[in-house]
Amino acid sequence: AQSVTQLGSHVSVSEGALVLLRCNYSSSVPPYLFWYVQYPNQGLQLLLKYTTGATLVKGINGFEAEFKKSETSFHLTKPSAHMSDAAEYFCAVSENFNKFYFGSGTKLNVKP
Amino acid sequence: DTEVTQTPKHLVMGMTNKKSLKCEQHMGHRAMYWYKQKAKKPPELMFVYSYEKLSINESVPSRFSPECPNSSLLNLHLHALQPEDSALYLCASGRVGGQETQYFGPGTRLLVL
Repeated sequence: AQSVTQLGSHVSVSEGALVLLRCNYSSSVPPYLFWYVQYPNQGLQLLLKYTTGATLVKGINGFEAEFKKSETSFHLTKPSAHMSDAAEYFCAVSENFNKFYFGSGTKLNVKP
Repeated sequence: DTEVTQTPKHLVMGMTNKKSLKCEQHMGHRAMYWYKQKAKKPPELMFVYSYEKLSINESVPSRFSPECPNSSLLNLHLHALQPEDSALYLCASGRVGGQETQYFGPGTRLLVL
């Protein structure tokens, strides 16, 4: 069975500071991993995904994530936060079927 | 065209009404999804269509009835809903396969009175 754990339902950083959003997964097979962002009253937008190959994945808006199999983690980072990064972030895992398992989400607040 | 569109954006309905939500994509995707999202929660999968056939029903109450009339359209028919069904309903589409990205529409905000 698959599951996703996002540590920290709320994360607050100052503008220009490092953003680190944590995601740990459990999966019985090599997983496919995704990060999505959701702005208020909008749908979800893909930031990045890992399927196979390079374990450091670069996404849109300066975000990146590293797949660490030994730690079953797929943490999302951005070197310098911007006010426009304030949003809800969801990590998701998928296996071989068209079914995503979403984490509970992390709301990112960026302070000026 | 790289977007998923949903209509209406907002919907208010009574518990005895019948209404439908519509979703459309022109990306050639053959997997389409309905999700329900309550405030401050992740999306919950309701239905998955693969090649216009219902492949996953997450034990959704029968007052929600999905329909996929062709490869570009997905409907969700609503009847005799309860106030607790009020939520954001998201449609998504993607290629068939677990590694494939799901592309989400903006959602329909539903309020059941």
